[in-house]
Amino acid sequence: AQTVTQSQPEMSVQEAETVTLSCTYDTSESNYYLFWYKQPPSRQMILVIRQEAYKQQNATENRFSVNFQKAAKSFSLKISDSQLGDTAMYFCALKETSGSRLTFGEGTQLTVNP
Amino acid sequence: AAGVIQSPRHLIKEKRETATLKCYPIPRHDTVYWYQQGPGQDPQFLISFYEKMQSDKGSIPDRFSAQQFSDYHSELNMSSLELGDSALYFCASSLKGGAGETQYFGPGTRLLVL
Repeated sequence: AQTVTQSQPEMSVQEAETVTLSCTYDTSESNYYLFWYKQPPSRQMILVIRQEAYKQQNATENRFSVNFQKAAKSFSLKISDSQLGDTAMYFCALKETSGSRLTFGEGTQLTVNP
Repeated sequence: AAGVIQSPRHLIKEKRETATLKCYPIPRHDTVYWYQQGPGQDPQFLISFYEKMQSDKGSIPDRFSAQQFSDYHSELNMSSLELGDSALYFCASSLKGGAGETQYFGPGTRLLVL
């Protein structure tokens, strides 16, 4: 069974600084997708970034980038130039290509301080 | 761009009552997913449909049923409601074969069972 683990329940960062959120996962499949979603206080689930397991290049989306280490089954999210609007719960999620469901980690509550 | 639409946004029911949640996917998306997020929890997968057929089933109680209609909208029917059913219910949609089959979430329906 697929599992996702986020070992940092809470993190904080000063505005304009950089922060890295950790995620590890387990799957028996060789092909899968990894995602980071953010959930602000409105509780909307917003896609941040996506990584295909077959791609070696790390995905980037503006200030957001990932460090994907397939052998270590690690998928961390780096947020550069943190902004107050980045304050949210961040969920790491895994989707195996053989299935349709997303499996989420427990989430990391990120607070950006002014 | 059009997003996933869910209705109602808020719902209050008594124990043992019935509730129906509706989901309208992003235009041209053919797959719909339902997730349940309890307070302080990560989203848990309930069920998914592809081209009106059930494609995957998660931890959905027998009291719940769902279907996808010919216009691709989906409904989640919940009967004999229990206090523990109080949660945020998300619908998500994706396009089969699309980039990572990325799931885009609706704003959610907040269900409170009294």
